[in-house]
Parts: sequence; C-alpha cells; structure tokens
Amino acid sequence: GPKVLQIPSHQIIDMGQMVTLNCDPVSNHLYFYWYKQILGQQMEFLVNFYNGKVMEKSKLFKDQFSVERPDGSYFTLKIQPTALEDSAVYFCASSLRQGFQDTQYFGPGTRLLVL
Amino acid sequence: AQSVTQPDARVTVSEGASLQLRCKYSYSGTPYLFWYVQYPRQGLQLLLKYYSGDPVVQGVNGFEAEFSKSNSSFHLRKASVHWSDSAVYFCVLSERSNYNVLYFGSGTKLTVEP
Repeated sequence: GPKVLQIPSHQIIDMGQMVTLNCDPVSNHLYFYWYKQILGQQMEFLVNFYNGKVMEKSKLFKDQFSVERPDGSYFTLKIQPTALEDSAVYFCASSLRQGFQDTQYFGPGTRLLVL
Repeated sequence: AQSVTQPDARVTVSEGASLQLRCKYSYSGTPYLFWYVQYPRQGLQLLLKYYSGDPVVQGVNGFEAEFSKSNSSFHLRKASVHWSDSAVYFCVLSERSNYNVLYFGSGTKLTVEP
C-alpha cells in the first residue's frame, strides 16, 4: 500500500539546538499531519497542513514549532530551540482529502532525544 | 472531552486462538472509530473503521470490530490469530465535527506465540 517515509529514524540533539524532522508523504496526497508520542503515553495530534497553511494545531504545537512543505518536497517539522520535553516519537501522516472516507497514512516515526 | 482507553497494554495469545482487544471511549456524541496496527519498524496501517449502521465492521486480514454505544466500546476481534499478527494495535477516535484530528488509545502490544 501507500507508504510514508520519515527521515531520520532517530535523532539525538542537545537542548537549545534546532532540529528538522522530515516526512516524505504519499505522492499525490494533499493533507499532512504531525503527531507526537511521549514514551509510555498516547499519540497526540500536533498539527495539520494543507495548501501551504496550518489548518489546525493543538496546544502541544508550541511557538518553537513550525511546519512547511516547500515546493512539494518533504513536509517538515522544525523545532527551534529544542527543550527536554520535546523528546518523543514524532509521526507524520498524509491523506488525499479531508474526511472520514480518506485514510491517514502514517510513517514509522522519528525518535527524537533531547539531552 | 474525548478520550480512548485501551486497558490492556500487553496481550499474549497462542497461534490459532481467538483474540479480543478491548477499547473504551469517552465522547458525548457518536464518534468515528478506527483500529490501526503498527508492525515493527513500519508506519501505522488502518485495519478497519466505523461510521454508522451495522455495529460489526469487517477489516483486513480477518479482523472485525463491534461498536457498542451503550458500553462506549469498540472491541477488536479475530477468530484465529497467526504469528504475523504480532504488532501494536491502536484504537482511535475522531469527532464527527472534526474528523481530521485523531485521538489515540495508548496501544495494545499483541504477541502471538507459536
């Protein structure tokens, strides 16, 4: 089936530095999402993105977070500066359209450790 | 507020046995409900989803789930498991007013023993 790729699979970074997480969505998809899963906790919605704009974001999407998809390339999540509480697995997802009938396809996640 | 509870963090069954993974939700209306599965080193994959109508929905690989409004549950079942079913299973909810935001349970790790 359709696959979403995430690069890198693991990232270790010092607190205060910038990190960019990359997502290669399904090729014809138009809607993009990031979710965050802290170790031992549930996966939680961060943000969704369409047509170059953030459509909706949760309270977890702090001011230090930003998303973009320049020129149809990777869909990225940037954290600048990072904090210890940003350590988590970040999952990217994409869908062709919005709506119940449209499945969100997920990547395998990027494990981020902030030291 | 909406939430999803999967009370069993780990379940171990023998190959060929039947399976039920439990899911309870909290939501004031009737939600959309999903089961996703994550195999090792892979992304989450949709197994099945419920919108309305017949409370028993069929999914891929012989999985089915039953919606119960009275019990606020959406349990996943399979009649006979295979070792390849070993994975983490997530019960997921979305609101009918905003189906793009998914709310996840904490997941159940299923191990199928030979």
